[in-house]
Amino acid sequence: GEDVEQSLFLSVREGDSSVINCTYTDSSSTYLYWYKQEPGAGLQLLTYIFSNMDMKQDQRLTVLLNKKDKHLSLRIADTQTGDSAIYFCAERIVGNNRKLIWGLGTSLAVNP
Amino acid sequence: GAVVSQHPSWVICKSGTSVKIECRSLDFQATTMFWYRQFPKQSLMLMATSNEGSKATYEQGVEKDKFLINHASLTLSTLTVTSAHPEDSSFYICSATGTGLSYEQYFGPGTRLTVT
Repeated sequence: GEDVEQSLFLSVREGDSSVINCTYTDSSSTYLYWYKQEPGAGLQLLTYIFSNMDMKQDQRLTVLLNKKDKHLSLRIADTQTGDSAIYFCAERIVGNNRKLIWGLGTSLAVNP
Repeated sequence: GAVVSQHPSWVICKSGTSVKIECRSLDFQATTMFWYRQFPKQSLMLMATSNEGSKATYEQGVEKDKFLINHASLTLSTLTVTSAHPEDSSFYICSATGTGLSYEQYFGPGTRLTVT
């Protein structure tokens, strides 16, 4: 079935890089997304990657996709306290009415 | 662009009453809207998908008579929680996608519902 898994917690020091990992099971995914949710707020799309890409970089964010292993990662360079939030990985599957399959979210804590 | 609003942002209601939550796409036509529910420190649970002018498609385990969804126009969808009970207290989030926005769902800020 469709499943997306993430580790639940990550703690880093301010200025270090953070790497949040995600694995998925459905090989027919078209797009894979990273969303950020700050406490009490809605979701903000951080970045996405099309399934035929291996890497995408956007300022401090780098997304790596290993389609063979069905593994997606989000690297945040020079992590700041404002990056503290929950990060959700999601995949969109072909022909599924744009429905997204969500991971449980990784809570990132950035320590000064 | 592609802004989605929700109203109200938080609501407290008494057990047994009904409450309506609105989701609006402000600057695009939302052909599809999604309603999610999120419990504290948990992931999003998709409740239903609605296409404009059609009946909503509910996920397994979601009571369609309890959570009434209407998507009568390309900019507005409503979720009505009927005969609310304390266990319906949650954070409800809508998202929308539309023509030309094929790769992204745009999310509203969420509505915090507390049933007393």
